[in-house]
Amino acid sequence: GIQVEQSPPDLILQEGANSTLRCNFSDSVNNLQWFHQNPWGQLINLFYIPSGTKQNGRLSATTVATERYSLLYISSSQTTDSGVYFCAAKTYSGAGSYQLTFGKGTKLSVIP
Amino acid sequence: GAGVSQSPRYKVTKRGQDVALRCDPISGHVSLYWYRQALGQGPEFLTYFNYEAQQDKSGLPNDRFSAERPEGSISTLTIQRTEQRDSAMYRCASSLGTASSGNTIYFGEGSWLTVV
Repeated sequence: GIQVEQSPPDLILQEGANSTLRCNFSDSVNNLQWFHQNPWGQLINLFYIPSGTKQNGRLSATTVATERYSLLYISSSQTTDSGVYFCAAKTYSGAGSYQLTFGKGTKLSVIP
Repeated sequence: GAGVSQSPRYKVTKRGQDVALRCDPISGHVSLYWYRQALGQGPEFLTYFNYEAQQDKSGLPNDRFSAERPEGSISTLTIQRTEQRDSAMYRCASSLGTASSGNTIYFGEGSWLTVV
């Protein structure tokens, strides 16, 4: 099946700093989503981005499907950005459905 | 409902007991998924429903795990004869269209299962 790799695994930022999180995937994908898992365990949708670039406030994401990677940009980071960021690739499972395959995540800690 | 709702949020059970986890997807969503997430890992696929039809159960780890969605809305994930290795967060997700469509998948807050 598809492999989804995220980097870096851990990241510590000073409040106000910018960062880029990367997601590489090993095969063509039907869909690519970024999620934020907050410290309370909620998994929150950030972007649905199979290709192109999207922006939402201080966050933006770019997926280059032909080169099989996606980037999540966080600008002017805040302590509330802390948590784990997952990317997930949606692919055909071969069993009549599509599945999301998640990376292992990037654990972000923003310190004041 | 406004979001995907799961219950119970926390469940502690003794090894060997059966547990049932409930998922109420977003109203009108066709697709429903179950995922399992161990501590420090990303969610892993368990099973997928298109309305009431279970179209993919390739992620269920063994025959102690089963799921149903009899009326195409609420779903139940059942684990029989629980073992300590079943301890994890179980997440339900739903999306508006079928799995092949380009719809965003929305996750519930999860059910934390601890088997002692």
